[in-house]
Amino acid sequence: EDQVTQSPEALRLQEGESSSLNCSYTVSGLRGLFWYRQDPGKGPEFLFTLYSAGEEKEKERLKATLTKKESFLHITAPKPEDSATYLCAVQEDNYGGSQGNLIFGKGTKLSVKP
Amino acid sequence: NAGVMQNPRHLVRRRGQEARLRCSPMKGHSHVYWYRQLPEEGLKFMVYLQKENIIDESGMPKERFSAEFPKEGPSILRIQQVVRGDSAAYFCASSPNGEVDTEAFFGQGTRLTVV
Repeated sequence: EDQVTQSPEALRLQEGESSSLNCSYTVSGLRGLFWYRQDPGKGPEFLFTLYSAGEEKEKERLKATLTKKESFLHITAPKPEDSATYLCAVQEDNYGGSQGNLIFGKGTKLSVKP
Repeated sequence: NAGVMQNPRHLVRRRGQEARLRCSPMKGHSHVYWYRQLPEEGLKFMVYLQKENIIDESGMPKERFSAEFPKEGPSILRIQQVVRGDSAAYFCASSPNGEVDTEAFFGQGTRLTVV
């Protein structure tokens, strides 16, 4: 059973069409939830870390929120350059404090058409 | 200020050969993590190392795979007697310390193809 599930698997938007990506998780205790962006042929690029339910973080057109069971990545008025795969990962509370043992979802592939 | 450097970017090996993947962390970073990304799968944690120490290898296959991070030089992920199922993208990440709020920077990955 997957501990981190992302939906949808793929999302196609028109430029300016806002939407949200979902990340649901099932771990016994959450130490942190991470969002990354991955472009084709490249490594993941860090976006946000969220630690507790109710927390929100923003960066340009992106806003990440966290509840006790899921996280949303809201994209406001996206542009074609926002096209990428967005990865969600969690770190369980029984791990010793490092970002090492992250449990990743399979990602949402976002395409933004002009 | 170079980022995490991985080489080679692409590696082709025949079944039964050895593959060596190298990772040079960012300057000042002493923590290295290796992840594997199989086609259509998410990134899977393999091993976490500090200089000269393996901290967590719970994601490493029990056989054929080994990792090291010597006092001098890059971290090495070694796969002996490769099989087709080892074909994947292998990513390395580094961070300055083990704190959860420290951002880990990923390299561009090594894409291993076993023929």
